[in-house]
Amino acid sequence: DTAVSQTPKYLVTQMGNDKSIKCEQNLGHDTMYWYKQDSKKFLKIMFSYNNKELIINETVPNRFSPKSPDKAHLNLHINSLELGDSAVYFCASSQANEQFFGPGTRLTVL
Amino acid sequence: GQQVMQIPQYQHVQEGEDFTTYCNSSTTLSNIQWYKQRPGGHPVFLIQLVKSGEVKKQKRLTFQFGEAKKNSSLHITATQTTDVGTYFCAVTNTDKLIFGTGTRLQVFP
Repeated sequence: DTAVSQTPKYLVTQMGNDKSIKCEQNLGHDTMYWYKQDSKKFLKIMFSYNNKELIINETVPNRFSPKSPDKAHLNLHINSLELGDSAVYFCASSQANEQFFGPGTRLTVL
Repeated sequence: GQQVMQIPQYQHVQEGEDFTTYCNSSTTLSNIQWYKQRPGGHPVFLIQLVKSGEVKKQKRLTFQFGEAKKNSSLHITATQTTDVGTYFCAVTNTDKLIFGTGTRLQVFP
């Protein structure tokens, strides 16, 4: 009965690799987000999609490319991973103001 | 861009003591939300405040929105070890949520 799910939970990879994180929500929400949380716990929005359409892109390097095949899914692909990409990435969805977060994907770039 | 500062950054309390975190914005807010993130977990929505001077309670938690709608506070009475985590305020800015810097609460038994 998970509302917002993400895979994988952990991702350890070498610098320069390309990786994807998947997110699915079964709440019927129109809007989905990707957030990045760094080691100091700062939580910052990266992207927002409404009904498969990109509405927010927060000065994120274009190595990050979100894709929303339908309104229940929002995936994040990252090219040429860098050390500074190491963080926890949270997917979230919302209908009104309240946001529902996924469990997070801890990405470690070596 | 809009900044949302929270103080303190960290707070260590003995179980049973009270705890307060403050959230301050540089601009007038339409609303403010509060989230709790347990260690290793994800942020979970607690509440939203909309009206100037609004006070809402959830058991031992009291949330307040300032009269000028530029600040907010979360007060926990008689903390318990289950209160451990990071508390974030979040404000809406042109369709996106901007999170505060967070206050990390540690409760010692």
